[in-house]
Amino acid sequence: GAVVSQHPSWVICKSGTSVKIECRSLDFQATTMFWYRQFPKQSLMLMATSNEGSKATYEQGVEKDKFLINHASLTLSTLTVTSAHPEDSSFYICSAPGRDFGAMEQFFGPGTRLTVL
Amino acid sequence: QQQVKQSPQSLIVQKGGISIINCAYENTAFDYFPWYQQFPGKGPALLIAIRPDVSEKKEGRFTISFNKSAKQFSLHIMDSQPGDSATYFCAATSGGGANNLFFGTGTRLTVIP
Repeated sequence: GAVVSQHPSWVICKSGTSVKIECRSLDFQATTMFWYRQFPKQSLMLMATSNEGSKATYEQGVEKDKFLINHASLTLSTLTVTSAHPEDSSFYICSAPGRDFGAMEQFFGPGTRLTVL
Repeated sequence: QQQVKQSPQSLIVQKGGISIINCAYENTAFDYFPWYQQFPGKGPALLIAIRPDVSEKKEGRFTISFNKSAKQFSLHIMDSQPGDSATYFCAATSGGGANNLFFGTGTRLTVIP
């Protein structure tokens, strides 16, 4: 199937700093990518939809000024957590729709563990 | 509001047994129903998916049963193995898989030897 990568796989930062997370579709192009957040032992919750060439669409309750999304190319979307605080500590996962044997499927990255001290 | 309801929350099965996880949805516009397997600290991996034009799909030991009229679908893992121990999420979406997914709450499966 299609491959989605994320970088870094984990990051530890001090409160008040900004952290950038990259999501790449390695062998296919994605005009849309999705960012999810997952707290321990919970399900994945959609944060925002990243659109290549246009502004991201944020889910209700997600601060767009805090979680900056840039879809720079057809294979790269970045999520920047600005002025991070301990409550932002979570597992951030991106996904992209791609074709697998002709059928459209959603492929997920390996996730990025963010810990804010 | 939880768009996709999943049960049970946790499941313990003996090696060689059948694991069954159930999900239900309300939105009749949903047309893509995948199941994901997630190990601790890893991203979800697509296990198997079904579209509403069929009632069952089988891939190896994994089978999805789909009941369109009841708006329910389930995952059956035959001959469960300790390596299957993971958290399983059902999901649903519209747009044939191109749109964002609505996830169930997850089922933590433990297969004991």
